[in-house]
Amino acid sequence: GQQLNQSPQSMFIQEGEDVSMNCTSSSIFNTWLWYKQDPGEGPVLLIALYKAGELTSNGRLTAQFGITRKDSFLNISASIPSDVGIYFCAGQGGGSNYKLTFGKGTLLTVNP
Amino acid sequence: DGGITQSPKYLFRKEGQNVTLSCEQNLNHDAMYWYRQDPGQGLRLIYYSQIVNDFQKGDIAEGYSVSREKKESFPLTVTSAQKNPTAFYLCASRGTDLLPQHFGDGTRLSIL
Repeated sequence: GQQLNQSPQSMFIQEGEDVSMNCTSSSIFNTWLWYKQDPGEGPVLLIALYKAGELTSNGRLTAQFGITRKDSFLNISASIPSDVGIYFCAGQGGGSNYKLTFGKGTLLTVNP
Repeated sequence: DGGITQSPKYLFRKEGQNVTLSCEQNLNHDAMYWYRQDPGQGLRLIYYSQIVNDFQKGDIAEGYSVSREKKESFPLTVTSAQKNPTAFYLCASRGTDLLPQHFGDGTRLSIL
């Protein structure tokens, strides 16, 4: 199955810094989703994007649905220690099954 | 509280043994999904079901089987044909067509 290209693979930052990660695809998606996963837990939805060009915020998180519908980015401002985890992007196509295609994740480490 | 419950949290399988992972949701969602997660990789779709008594193979269905006899339940059986079953298994469900998938907390399967 197809996978998205998510980068960077990992990031080590200091508390208070801003973070940016992105996903690109060779295919068009109708929806982009960003999830966060803590160790040993299931992914939790952070932001859902439904329209090309859409820019959406959720607290310190901001995500955008690329205008070409083939990419998306997630920014985290003023990082805090609890931001540590793995961040996944996922693209959802059309059709009748709404299957998700996932990136391989970005591991974020925040040093206090 | 409404949500998705996976059990058990940890499971051990002996060689040649079939094991079944439970996934129950009380969200009244029609669609349910099973994913496999390996270290450093994104989530890969095993099986999905959009309605009771119907399910489709995902990208890595070999060695797995499912059933969907009730709307709230979507158990996954890892058969002895799955030669590399050690992984973190995640169940997800989705409500109406445009809403994103939400995940359970996963089952970690290991080989004895």
